[in-house]
This record gives sequence, C-alpha cells and structure tokens, in this order.
Amino acid sequence: AQSVTQLGSHVSVSEGALVLLRCNYSSSVPPYLFWYVQYPNQGLQLLLKYTSAATLVKGINGFEAEFKKSETSFHLTKPSAHMSDAAEYFCAVSGPGANSKLTFGKGITLSVRP
Amino acid sequence: ETGVTQTPRHLVMGMTNKKSLKCEQHLGHNAMYWYKQSAKKPLELMFVYNFKEQTENNSVPSRFSPECPNSSHLFLHLHTLQPEDSALYLCASSYGGPDTQYFGPGTRLTVL
Repeated sequence: AQSVTQLGSHVSVSEGALVLLRCNYSSSVPPYLFWYVQYPNQGLQLLLKYTSAATLVKGINGFEAEFKKSETSFHLTKPSAHMSDAAEYFCAVSGPGANSKLTFGKGITLSVRP
Repeated sequence: ETGVTQTPRHLVMGMTNKKSLKCEQHLGHNAMYWYKQSAKKPLELMFVYNFKEQTENNSVPSRFSPECPNSSHLFLHLHTLQPEDSALYLCASSYGGPDTQYFGPGTRLTVL
C-alpha cells in the first residue's frame, strides 16, 4: 500500500521568497514520486517526477524536489516565488509495476503576496 | 487539437437526469483514467482502462458507468446522481503503470 501526506492546506509566501511545500510518503516498494500543479479552472500538470535515478529532480518553472529515503520525504522547493506560482500543488506516489496506480495527497494551496 | 480534452466543461443536472461526460486523448496513450476531485479531499481514482479493457473499478457506485470504445476515447455515463456527486471530474491518459499521467481540464458537475 502507498500513501502521501501533505501537511497543512495553505501556504502563503511573499514574492521573491523561498517556496517550500512538504510531502512525506509511505510505500512498501521503491516509489515513483510526482509533483503536479493545478491552476484555477484547469487540470493537473506535471511539475517533476522521481523515478529512482538522481535524488535531486529539477522540474519546470524553476521548481525542484529532493528524494530523501531516510526521511521518506519529497519536498518541493523554488528559490524565488513569482505571482504566477499561485496554484494548488499535489504530491503523488506510484509503484514501479505495470499495474501501479497514482495515489495523491490532498493538495496544498500556494498563495503569493506582492 | 492536442493533449487531453474533456466536454462539457460545466454540467448542471437534476437527480433524475441522464448525461454523459466525454474525454479524448491525442497522445497515443493506451491507458485512460477517471478521477473525482472534491473540495478538501485527495483525488479519488474511479476507473482505469488499459487497451480498452477496464482494469480498475475503485468501488464506484453503479450510477456511474464508464465506457471506453477505443484507446483514444473515454466516457462516463451518469444517471440518478446525488448532490454529493457534485465535483470536478478529471480524465487522464498515460502509457500505463508509473508513467506520467496527462490530465484534461475537467468537467465541473453540479447535481441539484
């Protein structure tokens, strides 16, 4: 069984400040980990994914995440927030098998203050 | 048109109506998915199809009936829904397994 925990439902940062969105996972098999972003009135878009290669994964729009097995974490960061980063962010976990399914966290809403 | 498209984008229906949601993918994928997104809850996987065959039914009530006539099209037929079924219904496609899923914009469903 797999699960993802995203603590808190809302994060607010100032424009230019560091963005840190936390994700902890539980998995009985080597996990594949994903971060998706959802802008208002749109579907989910992949930001980045970890597939057992490099532990530091770079994604689109300046986001990156680091896989830490010892901490079972896959936190999302961005050095400097832009107003356009305001959205909902979802962490998800999957197993490596052909019949694996994505299990999502409940999401975190990111607000960016001018 | 590219990516994953969904129609209609918005739907309001009564509890006795019958309606259908449509999803189409132009990515050459073989797997298609229906998810339900409700406020303050994680995305709920409803159905999975691989090469037109249903491989997952996540204990979804029978008032939701999926149909996958080919690998590019996916439908969700709705009948006698309840107000608690109001949500955003998202379609996604992929090459299956842990491959990245690509999502459509969703259908916002309101059941009166």
